[in-house]
Amino acid sequence: QQQVKQSPQSLIVQKGGISIINCAYENTAFDYFPWYQQFPGKGPALLIAIRPDVSEKKEGRFTISFNKSAKQFSLHIMDSQPGDSATYFCAASMSGTYKYIFGTGTRLKVLA
Amino acid sequence: GAGVSQSPRYKVTKRGQDVTLRCDPISSHATLYWYQQALGQGPEFLTYFNYEAQPDKSGLPSDRFSAERPEGSISTLTIQRTEQRDSAMYRCASSLSGGVQETQYFGPGTRLLVL
Repeated sequence: QQQVKQSPQSLIVQKGGISIINCAYENTAFDYFPWYQQFPGKGPALLIAIRPDVSEKKEGRFTISFNKSAKQFSLHIMDSQPGDSATYFCAASMSGTYKYIFGTGTRLKVLA
Repeated sequence: GAGVSQSPRYKVTKRGQDVTLRCDPISSHATLYWYQQALGQGPEFLTYFNYEAQPDKSGLPSDRFSAERPEGSISTLTIQRTEQRDSAMYRCASSLSGGVQETQYFGPGTRLLVL
């Protein structure tokens, strides 16, 4: 019930393409869903986050789509660039707790 | 400070030894978190502090793991009698006041290898 399942494990995309990473959860009490981006040798950094009262949030080239009934959410990176090559983690949290439940990560490589 | 810092960045130790990892959060951040990240996995919550208080230790894998934050700023994570399965990246994060929607800022981590 506490797990967040993330796929794919790795992803290769051509420059200019769309990268899509999916996550699914079971616990309907989760009410905050951040995505973190991690470059080699660095800690994860918040990229974008969404609450379940909206179905989509866009920030620049990054969009979160949220499907509450399916208990799924996804990250879309439009016009992917080589600089986007990193590991992406989805996470979930719920009000009243302080911890994030992270997915297993997706290693994205954008080819120049 | 400018960001969350952790030391050492790498630690190699022999099975059975004790290790202490240090986290220096962003100054003025009340809440500090410790996560364990195995290779190829996402970070897993260990414990967190709100100032000096440690309301949740639920993620600590065993009583060999303990954490302190005595003055509400720097924190240490101690692993006693280390075992090979303790080998992982240990990450610290901090946030301003701990609200669930607050950004958690992560440090670069300490990679621990237990031989």
